[in-house]
Formats: sequence, structure tokens, C-alpha cells
Amino acid sequence: EDQVTQSPEALRLQEGESSSLNCSYTVSGLRGLFWYRQDPGKGPEFLFTLYSAGEEKEKERLKATLTKKESFLHITAPKPEDSATYLCAVNAGGTSYGKLTFGQGTILTVHP
Amino acid sequence: EAGVTQFPSHSVIEKGQTVTLRCDPISGHDNLYWYRRVMGKEIKFLLHFVKESKQDESGMPNNRFLAERTGGTYSTLKVQPAELEDSGVYFCASSRGLFFDGYTFGSGTRLTVV
Repeated sequence: EDQVTQSPEALRLQEGESSSLNCSYTVSGLRGLFWYRQDPGKGPEFLFTLYSAGEEKEKERLKATLTKKESFLHITAPKPEDSATYLCAVNAGGTSYGKLTFGQGTILTVHP
Repeated sequence: EAGVTQFPSHSVIEKGQTVTLRCDPISGHDNLYWYRRVMGKEIKFLLHFVKESKQDESGMPNNRFLAERTGGTYSTLKVQPAELEDSGVYFCASSRGLFFDGYTFGSGTRLTVV
């Protein structure tokens, strides 16, 4: 069974204090790993898809990387508006080619 | 481009009653997905439509849940009869292809069964 574990569960940062969120996964045949951002009362908002080990993608202060066992979401010089829950999900293809398996998320709070 | 729209945003019903949730995907998106998040747990997959056909319904918890997608457009998810453990947030998502540009999620329907 596909599994996704995110750490830490919660992270508090000061504005400008860079850090990383971790997503460890176990899946038979990774087709894609996804990062989403979710604000309270909203649905997940797509950030990145990573397909193969070594791949990196960037968007503003966020950078996502992928290895064969885990992914990191690096946040550089965060701002209070980066506060949200960050979700990691994987797709294994095969008979479940449309299905995403999510982790529980990391709640990020950035203090001014 | 209008986003994924879900109705209602909140619903409170009594145990044993029936509730129908609706999802309007982004126009032109053939793929439609239902997910739910129960308290304290991760978001879990329920099912996947391609146009009007059920591609994968492996996540549907039991036969009290019925999903339909009329004419490949909007979708409904009916829970009948509702049980306390059905409480949670139900999300709908859609995509044009298979996740190449990520799925677009709606804001969800918060269902409370009392």
C-alpha cells in the first residue's frame, strides 16, 4: 500500500528564517509526486509536480526536490503570507492511475 | 477560467438522513475526482470519473455512497443513510489530462452528521 509521511507536523518560523519540509514516501512505481498548499477553509492549491529523482522545481520562495525515497520543500526567507498547510501526495500509476495518496501535511506558521 | 465549484459549502444533517453534494468541474476537464478528509486524518481518495464513466471507485467506503456524473459534466455524491463517521470535508477536483498540470480542487463541502 502506498504511504506518505510528512514531517514535521507543525513548524513555526520567524520571517526570513529559511527551512525545509520533508515528505517520505513508499510507493510501487512512482509516477508523480505533488506539493499542494492549503489555506483554512479552502481546497488544496497546486504548487509542483516532480516526476523523477534529481528533479527540482522553483516558484517564488519555494523549491521542491525529489529523491528515490523523499521530497523536500525548501522555503527561503519566508513571509507571513506563506503560512499555510503544505501537503505532499503521490501517484503510483497502474490501476490507480488517477489517484493521489496524501500525507497528513505540515502546518507552517511564519511570524513577522 | 472559473474554478471547481462545490455546493453546499456546509451541511448539517441528522444520522439516517440523506445528503447530496454537488461538484461543477472546470469546463473541458474530463477527469473528476472526489476526496474527503475526516477529522485528524489525511485527505483520502474516493473515486475518479473520466467523462461520465467511473474509472476507479476503490476508495468508496461502502454502498451508502453513490457518485454520479451526468453527461460528463457536473457530479453528485449522495450519502444515504448518513452515519456519524461520514462527517468530514468532501473535496472535488478536476483535471484536463492526468495530473500533468496538477489537479484543481474545489473549496470543499463540510458535512456534519449529528
